Amino acid sequence: DTAVSQTPKYLVTQMGNDKSIKCEQNLGHDTMYWYKQDSKKFLKIMFSYNNKELIINETVPNRFSPKSPDKAHLNLHINSLELGDSAVYFCASSQVGNTQYFGPGTRLTVL
Amino acid sequence: EDKVVQSPLSLVVHEGDTVTLNCSYEVTNFRSLLWYKQEKKAPTFLFMLTSSGIEKKSGRLSSILDKKELFSILNITATQTGDSAVYLCAVSDQTGANNLFFGTGTRLTVIP
Repeated sequence: DTAVSQTPKYLVTQMGNDKSIKCEQNLGHDTMYWYKQDSKKFLKIMFSYNNKELIINETVPNRFSPKSPDKAHLNLHINSLELGDSAVYFCASSQVGNTQYFGPGTRLTVL
Repeated sequence: EDKVVQSPLSLVVHEGDTVTLNCSYEVTNFRSLLWYKQEKKAPTFLFMLTSSGIEKKSGRLSSILDKKELFSILNITATQTGDSAVYLCAVSDQTGANNLFFGTGTRLTVIP
């Protein structure tokens, strides 16, 4: 009965590869988000997705692309991975204007 | 650019002490301020504050918001080792995105 789930929990890959992280929420929320947490523990918004409207943080490279097959899922696809992409990626969901609930995170390591 | 600043960056206390964590913010069209606790995994929600001067309380934790001075405090009384974590403050604005802008967090360590 996990509220917000992500897979995989850990992802180790080589530079230049393409990878995806999946996120699912069973809370019936209408908005989902992706955050990146760097080695200094700073959490930064990457994307929010609400009713098929995608809002992108302008600092996010276009190698990152969110894909939402339906309201309960927001996957993160990353092309041409770079060393600096190593971080923990958190998915979250909320009803608009309400508290966001976070998934357990995916630790991405790019070698 | 929206900004959230937390202080102190880290804090070490003994069990039983009371601590106060600070969060100041600058955000256009403020909607709410949230406190999260992050141990080893995902941030877990503590409080959401939208109105000034109204204290929110949960057990030994409490928080209050001052929208005039643009800050919030999180108090923890009678600290326990299980309170050791990073405490994150975040603010959201009125845009439809409801994005959260996080501070860098305060790392609290409670020693027995």
